[in-house]
Amino acid sequence: DAKTTQPPSMDCAEGRAANLPCNHSTISGNEYVYWYRQIHSQGPQYIIHGLKNNETNEMASLIITEDRKSSTLILPHATLRDTAVYYCIVRVVNTDKLIFGTGTRLQVFP
Amino acid sequence: NAGVTQTPKFRVLKTGQSMTLLCAQDMNHEYMYWYRQDPGMGLRLIHYSVGEGTTAKGEVPDGYNVSRLKKQNFLLGLESAAPSQTSVYFCASSDRDVLFLAKNIQYFGAGTRLSVL
Repeated sequence: DAKTTQPPSMDCAEGRAANLPCNHSTISGNEYVYWYRQIHSQGPQYIIHGLKNNETNEMASLIITEDRKSSTLILPHATLRDTAVYYCIVRVVNTDKLIFGTGTRLQVFP
Repeated sequence: NAGVTQTPKFRVLKTGQSMTLLCAQDMNHEYMYWYRQDPGMGLRLIHYSVGEGTTAKGEVPDGYNVSRLKKQNFLLGLESAAPSQTSVYFCASSDRDVLFLAKNIQYFGAGTRLSVL
């Protein structure tokens, strides 16, 4: 199973872009990268996922390097409500299981 | 459309007591999951189910049992609760992924906070 490495915490000023890095150097060719976040003690919330191309939706953008060994989640205009723990997850191939790490705690400040 | 509903939201047990946590989803999802989250840690998969009548073990299955008698419900049981099972329990559900390669968006409930004294 491919593992992910994320910084334990990051800060971001409100209105600025938040760039959350993730390292997944052992990822396999057919494994997807998923991002979830957990606000306070709520259940995790899906943000975005990708295989090898960059992806964008209404919440965020996902940039995956060409060698797929790392990715960056971008929140273009962070708000105080984006303060949460962000999990980068590699989908275990041929299963539906998601393996959560400890994530990055993003603190957005005024 | 309630999504994923967990009951109860809070519970306090004494060591050795038993209880069942109920998860219900109204999205007609095939797959359902039970996770636990300890303070400062990520979620760990306890058991999961890929369809009605089927269950499988996750990372940390010991001390728990599950049942999926109806497609919309997934029950997590603790037969003899231990203090080590004090945790927040999350249920999730997702669509069937025929190809195993496409997206697997899991939708989570609000959690059950369990304390075992």
